Amino acid sequence: QKEVEQDPGPLSVPEGAIVSLNCTYSNSAFQYFMWYRQYSRKGPELLMYTYSSGNKEDGRFTAQVDKSSKYISLFIRDSQPSDSATYLCAMSDTGRRALTFGSGTRLQVQP
Amino acid sequence: EAGVTQFPSHSVIEKGQTVTLRCDPISGHDNLYWYRRVMGKEIKFLLHFVKESKQDESGMPNNRFLAERTGGTYSTLKVQPAELEDSGVYFCASSQGRGWANEQFFGPGTRLTVL
Repeated sequence: QKEVEQDPGPLSVPEGAIVSLNCTYSNSAFQYFMWYRQYSRKGPELLMYTYSSGNKEDGRFTAQVDKSSKYISLFIRDSQPSDSATYLCAMSDTGRRALTFGSGTRLQVQP
Repeated sequence: EAGVTQFPSHSVIEKGQTVTLRCDPISGHDNLYWYRRVMGKEIKFLLHFVKESKQDESGMPNNRFLAERTGGTYSTLKVQPAELEDSGVYFCASSQGRGWANEQFFGPGTRLTVL
């Protein structure tokens, strides 16, 4: 079983929709949670960074962490065609800086 | 501020040859990481430098891979001899050294094809 599970999609939504992306994990030592966006043939771009449980909002993006359920989410409001990309969750514990990634969810926002 | 840069962007070599990948981190970032994504798999950690020292090399697959970071600036990752299963995208990332903050910024990657 993988340490981090992420539905690969693809997820197709109409422009303006609210998008929900999720990851589950098994390692209870994970404390740092990140969401990256990756466009085709580019490197991952850091979107959101959260420590421990709770919510964090940045513009149209909201990250949620529920450590009791080992479940993290990324919400995108008012989705735009430019949001079409692969979204990767990543996490690490306090003992190591190595990130453990999910496999990524491919999102397509239709105009 | 310049981001993480990697060279080359793409390399095609034959099995048994040697390839050296280079990464220039964001200026002032003490932490430098190498990751790779082989086809159909998730991005996997290879190793972590703090300045010029290897902090964690638990993800290095075998001794055909050699990473260096002389002077604590740029880093190289050498694969010698390359095998078919080494094909994939190699990413470099960097982060500042403050506390446990672990925001890692990635470069565009080097796409390695071993024929």
